[in-house]
Amino acid sequence: DGGITQSPKYLFRKEGQNVTLSCEQNLNHDAMYWYRQDPGQGLRLIYYSQIVNDFQKGDIAEGYSVSREKKESFPLTVTSAQKNPTAFYLCASSIGQINQPQHFGDGTRLSIL
Amino acid sequence: AQSVTQLDSQVPVFEEAPVELRCNYSSSVSVYLFWYVQYPNQGLQLLLKYLSGSTLVKGINGFEAEFNKSQTSFHLRKPSVHISDTAEYFCAVRTSYDKVIFGPGTSLSVIP
Repeated sequence: DGGITQSPKYLFRKEGQNVTLSCEQNLNHDAMYWYRQDPGQGLRLIYYSQIVNDFQKGDIAEGYSVSREKKESFPLTVTSAQKNPTAFYLCASSIGQINQPQHFGDGTRLSIL
Repeated sequence: AQSVTQLDSQVPVFEEAPVELRCNYSSSVSVYLFWYVQYPNQGLQLLLKYLSGSTLVKGINGFEAEFNKSQTSFHLRKPSVHISDTAEYFCAVRTSYDKVIFGPGTSLSVIP
């Protein structure tokens, strides 16, 4: 079955540590996105990428970094500069048309030790 | 700037009763509208979408939504809810590749 795989499902970060969240899709979608979800809030866009080797900052990019070396993969690194990283992180993808919905992975829950 | 409002943060409803989850948006450009459902500790799943044409849109699991351009609304309805419908529901508006604005969500609790 085609879909989006996020790993790990749960992740713990120590102070001063960078951690990387994995996102892989086999839907052959051009566009990929990272969102942050906090309790009682909607999704906020961190980064997005429309094509390989290109990505754009979203609304809350500070303290995060991404790469898009392959069409299928869009890993997110939460750096030590992100002072409040505890959240649920969702990866999504879509085909390259704005009238199409996004498909989501099952998320990674990041907590601070 | 675009925005999405979901007027009810929590909606309790008895099993087999009807439900309406409200969504209003503001945008100065054409929009595409979506409703997603999220079960605990999972990602979002598309329920239905409005792109153009008929203003009444039918989705999965017996849900439907009506687009009202004059009221800038896209309310979600189901005539008879089940326990399995207990989840978080998000309304979303898309105007460009990067501009997908999500509402804050409505938590639907179905009471047996």
